[in-house]
Amino acid sequence: SQTIHQWPATLVQPVGSPLSLECTVEGTSNPNLYWYRQAAGRGLQLLFYSVGIGQISSEVPQNLSASRPQDRQFILSSKKLLLSDSGFYLCAWSDGQRYEQYFGPGTRLTVT
Amino acid sequence: AQSVTQLDSHVSVSEGTPVLLRCNYSSSYSPSLFWYVQHPNKGLQLLLKYTSAATLVKGINGFEAEFKKSETSFHLTKPSAHMSDAAEYFCVVSRINDYKLSFGAGTTVTVRA
Repeated sequence: SQTIHQWPATLVQPVGSPLSLECTVEGTSNPNLYWYRQAAGRGLQLLFYSVGIGQISSEVPQNLSASRPQDRQFILSSKKLLLSDSGFYLCAWSDGQRYEQYFGPGTRLTVT
Repeated sequence: AQSVTQLDSHVSVSEGTPVLLRCNYSSSYSPSLFWYVQHPNKGLQLLLKYTSAATLVKGINGFEAEFKKSETSFHLTKPSAHMSDAAEYFCVVSRINDYKLSFGAGTTVTVRA
């Protein structure tokens, strides 16, 4: 069966510091991968989308970037965090032939 | 463009009574529709999905949803609420051609003892 991991689970970082969040998927190959942000009291915002290694689509311009160095690894990064980057970050995967997405446990990021 | 509207931002029910969460969709083609549940500080879990097969879809934990094309609705129901059903629920529609999803704003369910 497929499993998706995210780490860290929680993170507190000062403004201006760098960020690296990691997501890995097990039990499947060539998945579509997604990064979402969920701000307090708000819905899910799709940040990045990847259909393969090195292929990243950005949904909204922002202070963040994403990379996919391996087939089942997806990384969310920032060079300098802003207060507005605080939120709950969710990674998800889907089979390239199906629509439903499966979500990881999330990372709670607080920028102070 | 494909979109969903969740008609209730908050629903409160007593334990043991039925739950109804309402969702209307907008799509220019036959969409795939989903319901997800999110417990506090957790990821989203897929409850059920409609992908143009049977219009009455059964999901996990006793939930089911009915796809009504004439009403463009996909309401989620459960006959008897349990305390563990307290969570946020998202109605979701597939976007055409790119396998991305459009999420509703969510409905928060509170279950009273």
